[in-house]
Amino acid sequence: SQTIHQWPATLVQPVGSPLSLECTVEGTSNPNLYWYRQAAGRGLQLLFYSVGIGQISSEVPQNLSASRPQDRQFILSSKKLLLSDSGFYLCARRWGGRMNTEAFFGQGTRLTVV
Amino acid sequence: EDKVVQSPLSLVVHEGDTVTLNCSYEVTNFRSLLWYKQEKKAPTFLFMLTSSGIEKKSGRLSSILDKKELFSILNITATQTGDSAVYLCAVEGVGGATNKLIFGTGTLLAVQP
Repeated sequence: SQTIHQWPATLVQPVGSPLSLECTVEGTSNPNLYWYRQAAGRGLQLLFYSVGIGQISSEVPQNLSASRPQDRQFILSSKKLLLSDSGFYLCARRWGGRMNTEAFFGQGTRLTVV
Repeated sequence: EDKVVQSPLSLVVHEGDTVTLNCSYEVTNFRSLLWYKQEKKAPTFLFMLTSSGIEKKSGRLSSILDKKELFSILNITATQTGDSAVYLCAVEGVGGATNKLIFGTGTLLAVQP
């Protein structure tokens, strides 16, 4: 199974409030995990990726952070949301330790910062 | 910096038309190129291409990669309204970009009846 659970599906948060989006995956251990953001239904911007517990690589400097406290759990956080953080957030997984594998996506969280 | 560029940004066609979507890339130590279709939420996987000149085909969709010129095309023949979606291209590199999958801006395809 390549099931990916993301929640919540939608979220409306005021500017300056904290954020926590959670992604959990099923299937083989030690997957590569990714957080992407998509604005206005267009391309996916890579935010963070992780190849293992506690290992986080950041792609875009911003007020977001990510953590991987367990092998199959990936969390996206913010201490204070900005209007520009609005968007569609997607979590994805790929096989760990392999190249040339497709990514499987969760159903996403649509975040609106007001 | 790794980069993936798709064109056109959007496209409107009529049912039965054939469309060609383009994806060009610049990435360190290219490994693979992937195509996805996104209708509402989660993108769904279409093709993975690793070798030049070998066409991948699935029904009315096909794709090919040119590693010399650094681009790929996705063809859809006899389009249907169900083909309406955002089509995303992604590239994986090795080394500095190990395990990183970079997506392009996407092409929004609208197929009118």
